[in-house]
Parts: sequence; C-alpha cells; structure tokens
Amino acid sequence: QSALTQPASVSGSPGQSITISCTGTSSDIGGYNYVSWYQQHPGKAPKLMIYDVSNRPSGVSIRFSGSKSGNTASLIISGLQAEDEADYYCSSFTSSHTYVFGTGTKVTVL
Amino acid sequence: EVQLVESGGGLVQPGGSLRLSCAASGFSFSNYWMHWVRQAPGEGLVWVARITHDGSGANYADSVNGRFIISRDNAKNTLYLQMNSLTVEDTALYYCAGVPVTWFDPWGQGTLVTVSS
Repeated sequence: QSALTQPASVSGSPGQSITISCTGTSSDIGGYNYVSWYQQHPGKAPKLMIYDVSNRPSGVSIRFSGSKSGNTASLIISGLQAEDEADYYCSSFTSSHTYVFGTGTKVTVL
Repeated sequence: EVQLVESGGGLVQPGGSLRLSCAASGFSFSNYWMHWVRQAPGEGLVWVARITHDGSGANYADSVNGRFIISRDNAKNTLYLQMNSLTVEDTALYYCAGVPVTWFDPWGQGTLVTVSS
C-alpha cells in the first residue's frame, strides 16, 4: 500500500495552465478508472474536484480536468487563479479492495 | 445540508484506546460505504479503513489492521472507529468520509487524536 507518487510542488502564474501527475501501478491507477482528485486548503477538509478519472462534480469549475494514461493520472488546472493555491491529492481504488492516496502536491500561484 | 461531524478525539497514552464517532445527516447514510482517512500534522492523506453500507464487510490499511475496528449503526446514522494499542505514529487528524460509488464525498471536518506520554 505505498502512496501514489505526486510532485511535491507545482507553480504557475495567474492565467496559466498547470498539470499535476499522479503515478501508481497496475494494481491501482492502471487497473481501474477509479481515480479521484481532492483540493485541500490549510485547516480545511479535502474537497472532491474530479472523480472516475475525468468527471467533474456539480459546482466545480470547468477549469479543472482530469485524464489517465497507463499507471499515471493527471489533474490539469487551466486559467490558474489565486484561489487555486492549495494542496492537491489524488486517490485510487486498489486490487486489494482498499484505497490509496497520493503524496500530495502544493500548488503555488506566483 | 449534507454533514459529517466527527468526535471522540483527544490525548491518549501509547498503548491506550480511543473510540471515534462520526454523525451523518442530510444524506442517505445507509446507502454509502463509509471510510476513515487520517492526516498526520503537516503530512498527506492516508486511507485507514472502510465499511460496507450494511456493515457486513470491512477493509483496513496494513498499518492499523488488527488494532482498529470500523463499525456503523445505520439506525443512528453514525460511523465508529475503535482504536486500540495506539502508538505515536497514530497521531493525526481523523476524517470520516462517505463513498457513494468510488469517490470520497462528503467529508467531515476531522477529530484530532494525539498519542503521547
């Protein structure tokens, strides 16, 4: 049950697009289309941003999108805004019928 | 309003026990598989345990298997986590979360567990 691998930090200027990667194995990301992404502001609970790889819940900005290729999933934030500055975590269902989260990525808006 | 409210956290000595509760409201609790996720201070999210919608099955992370027990009372719309043989590595903010299908939503605000002598 090793954590999924994410870059520790990603930064961008307002209006730019950034991509956060999330790398796992064939036993989690590669084996299922059950990848979700969460945004967490300091002192707050995580918030669902993307589910089942690329689906956006009601109320989440269209600037957030997701994709997957092989054992790696990605979260793309387009038109970066100051309010997007937060920690982001990916998660995947696993072949052990458990879940695993990513190591987390701190997004900084320059 | 959809809401999950955790309680029961606190300071406990190594080797001690603690029982967390999570009260649900505003959604069909008995239709959701429920999970516990924890976050150590300054660290990332770690999945802990899950229970089926009717309480008939459960899974645990290796790090807590054999020490923690997840349970639920659908009549009371409440989820529980019995934590035994606690170690300093269990110190964290514990979130409960509902999983309607394959994603975590909603989330509670968390309850802090501190294991220290």
